[in-house]
This record gives sequence, structure tokens and C-alpha cells, in this order.
Amino acid sequence: AQSVAQPEDQVNVAEGNPLTVKCTYSVSGNPYLFWYVQYPNRGLQFLLKYITGDNLVKGSYGFEAEFNKSQTSFHLKKPSALVSDSALYFCAVRAPNTGFQKLVFGTGTRLLVSP
Amino acid sequence: DTAVSQTPKYLVTQMGNDKSIKCEQNLGHDTMYWYKQDSKKFLKIMFSYNNKELIINETVPNRFSPKSPDKAHLNLHINSLELGDSAVYFCASSQGSSGSYEQYFGPGTRLTVT
Repeated sequence: AQSVAQPEDQVNVAEGNPLTVKCTYSVSGNPYLFWYVQYPNRGLQFLLKYITGDNLVKGSYGFEAEFNKSQTSFHLKKPSALVSDSALYFCAVRAPNTGFQKLVFGTGTRLLVSP
Repeated sequence: DTAVSQTPKYLVTQMGNDKSIKCEQNLGHDTMYWYKQDSKKFLKIMFSYNNKELIINETVPNRFSPKSPDKAHLNLHINSLELGDSAVYFCASSQGSSGSYEQYFGPGTRLTVT
């Protein structure tokens, strides 16, 4: 069964600094990987995904993520954080080509960007 | 234009009552989902429908019954509500059931059972 781990409950970064939110996964075969963001009292919004191809994936709002197969990681990054990036970030994984497989979410990482 | 909408946004009710949450998507997607987010923000899938057919049914008490009258709607009915049912319930949709499609989430329904 697939699983995903987000080892940090919270990440603190100053505005303008680069940010990284960590994610590692466990799945049989090549994974489909996703990042979602949740602002307070809102639903999740899709940021980016890795399906195949280039290991560096670019997404919405200047975010990017790097798929690293050897380390089974898919860390979310942004070169320069904004206060408005403060939110809850979820990594998710899905096993490919296995029929109707569910999307499994990590426990979430709260990003706090200080002015 | 709202892509995935849910009603109601807030639902406060007493134990033992029966309640429904409605979901509609105007994206033309084939697949819809119900998720439960608990107080620790942990998100877990409950059900998924593809073209009105149930394809994922997680270990959920049978007090929870989803219904999909058509591809654009997926409703959730909960019987005999319990305190532990208090959570935020999210509806979502995707273009298809293939794992490569991203999901689009509704704004959530905060259910409080007293």
C-alpha cells in the first residue's frame, strides 16, 4: 500500500527567503505525486504534480518540486517566500496503473512565513 | 464561477439525527469523491464515484451513504449522527479516475454534532 510522510509539522521562514517543505513516499512502481495547499477555512487547491518526465516540476504561485527516485522524495520549494504563502501544505501519492486507486495524503505541514 | 460547490457550509446538529450534504461540480468531470478531515487536519478518502458508479468505498460506517444522481452531483447522507462524526467533509472531482488527474476540492462542510 502506498504511503506518504511529511516529517515536519511546521516550517518557519522569513519573507524573501527560500522555502522547502519535505515529503517522502512509499509506493510500488513509479508514483504519481501531488502537492496541494489549504488556506484557512478553505478547500484544498492543487499546486503541482509529477507523473513522468522531467524531475523538476513547476506549479502555481511560483512553487516547484523535485522528484528524487533514489531518495523517494518530492520536496516542495519556492525561491522566495511570501507572507501570503502561509498555509497548510499536503503531499499526496497515488500508485499508477492499479485501477481505481485512492489518493493518499500526508499529515500536512504548516508553513508560516514571517514579514 | 464555482467549480465544486457544497451545501451547507456549516451544519450543527444533535446526536442521533440524520443529515445530508450536497455537492455539485460544473467542470464536466467524470469522477467525484468524499473526504473527511478531522480536527488534526488529517484527510482521508471515504468514497469515490466514476460516472455514477461507486469505485472506492473505504472502511466507513454504513451510517454513511453516498448517492450520485448524475455525474455532476454526489451527495452524502449520514444516519444516526455520532459525536465522532464531527469533522470537515470535502467533496472533490477529477477529470477521470486515472491516477494522473489532479482533484479539485469544494470549500468543505463543517459538521458539528452535539
